[in-house]
Amino acid sequence: AQSVTQLGSHVSVSEGALVLLRCNYSSSVPPYLFWYVQYPNQGLQLLLKYTSAATLVKGINGFEAEFKKSETSFHLTKPSAHMSDAAEYFCAVMFSGGYNKLIFGAGTRLAVHP
Amino acid sequence: GAVVSQHPSWVICKSGTSVKIECRSLDFQATTMFWYRQFPKQSLMLMATSNEGSKATYEQGVEKDKFLINHASLTLSTLTVTSAHPEDSSFYICSASKPGGYEQYFGPGTRLTVT
Repeated sequence: AQSVTQLGSHVSVSEGALVLLRCNYSSSVPPYLFWYVQYPNQGLQLLLKYTSAATLVKGINGFEAEFKKSETSFHLTKPSAHMSDAAEYFCAVMFSGGYNKLIFGAGTRLAVHP
Repeated sequence: GAVVSQHPSWVICKSGTSVKIECRSLDFQATTMFWYRQFPKQSLMLMATSNEGSKATYEQGVEKDKFLINHASLTLSTLTVTSAHPEDSSFYICSASKPGGYEQYFGPGTRLTVT
């Protein structure tokens, strides 16, 4: 079955430290992959997306993600965390033949402390 | 741009009443709109996909008679929660796609509380 897994429901980093949020998918065909951020009581904001072009994708707010087919992963990174990065992050997958439906991971809450 | 709005942003209703939530694409035509439900501290779960002018396609386990979806125009879809109960309290988020496109543009969400 096609699915998406985010490892770690909570991640805590110090301000200025590296942010690494993990996402793995299960599919024999590489899907489209997305990372969204959600602040409390708000909708989703697209950080970046992979659509079979460059495997290293740069997004907004200094985030980037690398698609690794061999590992079926699409981990999100940011070299230096900022306090304003504290939010919920969702990895989402759009599988081929899925009528453009998004399947979301469980989410990772990122905390940034001084 | 691709802006999607939702109205209302929050609503409180009494148990047994119905409530309608609107989802509008403000600067583009949306042939497909999606409705999601998000419980506190949980992920988004797709409820249904609606295409303009046709019946919505509901995900397994979603009661179509309880969650009525209407996509009457290329810029408006509505979700009506009928005979609401406290367990329907949730955050409802819509998204919209442009014609021929795959990317979804999300609305800000509607917080529904049923008392």
